[in-house]
Amino acid sequence: AQSVTQPDIHITVSEGASLELRCNYSYGATPYLFWYVQSPGQGLQLLLKYFSGDTLVQGIKGFEAEFKRSQSSFNLRKPSVHWSDAAEYFCAVGAVGQNFVFGPGTRLSVLP
Amino acid sequence: DAGVIQSPRHEVTEMGQEVTLRCKPISGHNSLFWYRQTMMRGLELLIYFNNNVPIDDSGMPEDRFSAKMPNASFSTLKIQPSEPRDSAVYFCASSQTLGLMGLASNEQYFGPGTRLTVT
Repeated sequence: AQSVTQPDIHITVSEGASLELRCNYSYGATPYLFWYVQSPGQGLQLLLKYFSGDTLVQGIKGFEAEFKRSQSSFNLRKPSVHWSDAAEYFCAVGAVGQNFVFGPGTRLSVLP
Repeated sequence: DAGVIQSPRHEVTEMGQEVTLRCKPISGHNSLFWYRQTMMRGLELLIYFNNNVPIDDSGMPEDRFSAKMPNASFSTLKIQPSEPRDSAVYFCASSQTLGLMGLASNEQYFGPGTRLTVT
């Protein structure tokens, strides 16, 4: 069965520091990969997505993610975190003919 | 575009009462999803519709839950009777997909959610 794991429940970084959020998946088919962000009291907003092609994808708000097929990973990165990036981040995976599955989420706190 | 609209934003009800959550998808979108989010279980897909037809309701937890989409601009999720364990945030999302094969590949736009508390 397909699954998505985000090993880090909660991460704290200082403003201006770099960030990497991990995502691993288990899928039988070629996956479509997404990162969403959820601010407190809000719905989810798409940051970026990967379908095919270049394995490094750029998203909104300065985020990027790299697809590594050999590691079944799709980690999210940002070179310099801003206080407004504090939120919950969800990795999601879909595949043709299969339901969309979200990971458990990683909560990001940003220290001033 | 106003985005996905959900109502009410907050609902507090007593156990045993009927609860109806409402969703208006983005105009032109042909797929609609209902999710439930809790601390314990995270974000769970309950049901999704394509062109107003329920495609997969395997995520609906019990017969107490039902969902309808009478037209392209409106959907409801009903819980009858409600129980305290139904307390959660319920999200509606919509997307524009080209056939069922495209369901997994298109961005979903989420509404702000309905926070349900059942006492």
